[in-house]
Amino acid sequence: QKEVEQNSGPLSVPEGAIASLNCTYSDRVSQSFFWYRQYSGKSPELIMSIYSNGDKEDGRFTAQLNKASQYVSLLIRDSQPSDSATYLCAVGGGSARQLTFGSGTQLTVLP
Amino acid sequence: GAVVSQHPSRVICKSGTSVKIECRSLDFQATTMFWYRQFPKKSLMLMATSNEGSKATYEQGVEKDKFLINHASLTLSTLTVTSAHPEDSSFYICSARRSEGLETQYFGPGTRLLVL
Repeated sequence: QKEVEQNSGPLSVPEGAIASLNCTYSDRVSQSFFWYRQYSGKSPELIMSIYSNGDKEDGRFTAQLNKASQYVSLLIRDSQPSDSATYLCAVGGGSARQLTFGSGTQLTVLP
Repeated sequence: GAVVSQHPSRVICKSGTSVKIECRSLDFQATTMFWYRQFPKKSLMLMATSNEGSKATYEQGVEKDKFLINHASLTLSTLTVTSAHPEDSSFYICSARRSEGLETQYFGPGTRLLVL
C-alpha cells in the first residue's frame, strides 16, 4: 500500500515569509512527484513537478526532492495571502501509473 | 496548455435519478482519465481509472454498477451516477493524463452534485 504523508496543518505564516510544506512517501520505487494547490471549493491545480534529486525552482516556488530520505518539500518564498490554500503532494510510479495523493496541508498567509 | 473541462459544474437532482458528468481534454489527447470524489474538508478519493476503449478500473469499495464510466474517445470520459441518493452528494473531479509519457494529471474544475 503506497502512502503519502503530509502534515495537515493548518500552517500559518505572515505575508512575505517563506512557507515550507513537507511530504514523505513510502514507496521507494516512486519516480515522479507533484505539488498541487487547491483553493476552497475548487479543483486541484498543478504547481510543480519534480523527478530527480535536488531543487527545482519556478518563480516563488521551489520543490526539493530527496529520494534517499523519501522526502519531498515545497517552499513558497515571499508568501502572499493569495497563496492561502490546501497544498497536495502527489507521488507517481509503478505499473498502474496512478498518482497517490497526500491528504493535503492547509496554508494560511496572514496579511 | 493542458486544459480539462467538466460539465455540468453543478447539478441538483432528486433521489433516484441518474446524473451524467462529462470530462473533456480540450487541447491534448488523454488515453487515461481519472475520476475522484471529495467530501468537504477531506482528501481526494480515487474512484476509478478510465482507459480509452476499454473497461474502467474501479477502486476497492466503489460500485461499478452505480458509477458507470465510459471513455469512448481520446478526449472524452463520462461518469454516470445511477439512481443517485443523498449520500452520493459530493464534489466529483476528473483528471486527464496525456497519452504520451509522463504521469502528470491535469484536473477539471469539478462537478458539485447535490441529491435531494
